Amino acid sequence: AQSVAQPEDQVNVAEGNPLTVKCTYSVSGNPYLFWYVQYPNRGLQFLLKYITGDNLVKGSYGFEAEFNKSQTSFHLKKPSALVSDSALYFCAVRASRRDSSYKLIFGSGTRLLVRP
Amino acid sequence: GAGVSQSPRYKVAKRGQDVALRCDPISGHVSLFWYQQALGQGPEFLTYFQNEAQLDKSGLPSDRFFAERPEGSVSTLKIQRTQQEDSAVYLCASNPKSEGAYSNQPQHFGDGTRLSIL
Repeated sequence: AQSVAQPEDQVNVAEGNPLTVKCTYSVSGNPYLFWYVQYPNRGLQFLLKYITGDNLVKGSYGFEAEFNKSQTSFHLKKPSALVSDSALYFCAVRASRRDSSYKLIFGSGTRLLVRP
Repeated sequence: GAGVSQSPRYKVAKRGQDVALRCDPISGHVSLFWYQQALGQGPEFLTYFQNEAQLDKSGLPSDRFFAERPEGSVSTLKIQRTQQEDSAVYLCASNPKSEGAYSNQPQHFGDGTRLSIL
């Protein structure tokens, strides 16, 4: 079964410090991995994706993510956090088998709180 | 419009009532997904359309849930005889291409409909 785990319910970081939001996955075949961000009362906004190629993926708003196949991880990172980055972050894997419609399977989310 | 539009944004219904939630995907988008997001949880897949064809409804929790996309654009998610456990945010997402082994486009999400069943 395909799944995504986000082991931290909340991550706290001071503005200007680097941040990491963790994600591990379990999938058959090659993984298609995504990060989305959700602000209060809003839908999910796409940040970045890993399909193939370089293990370090750069995305929107200065975020990047590192794909590690041996550790089955896809951690989200940013070198310098902003207060405005405070939001709910979801890691997702796309189901790869044709009979599962390529739906996204989401983790439970990690709340990022950046303090001034 | 520029993005995926969902209406209403908020819906309150009494237990036992029927509700209908609407999704207007980005114009021309082939794929359309519905997800259910319970409070404090990640979204969970409900159903998937490719144009007007409902290709996967494996995530619908019961036969009280029904979705349609008759002309391959607007979609409606209907819940009959609502129960309190149906309270959640219902998210719609669209994708420009047909889903397939080589499709790597991100899904574009609407802001959701927050459904509260009293």
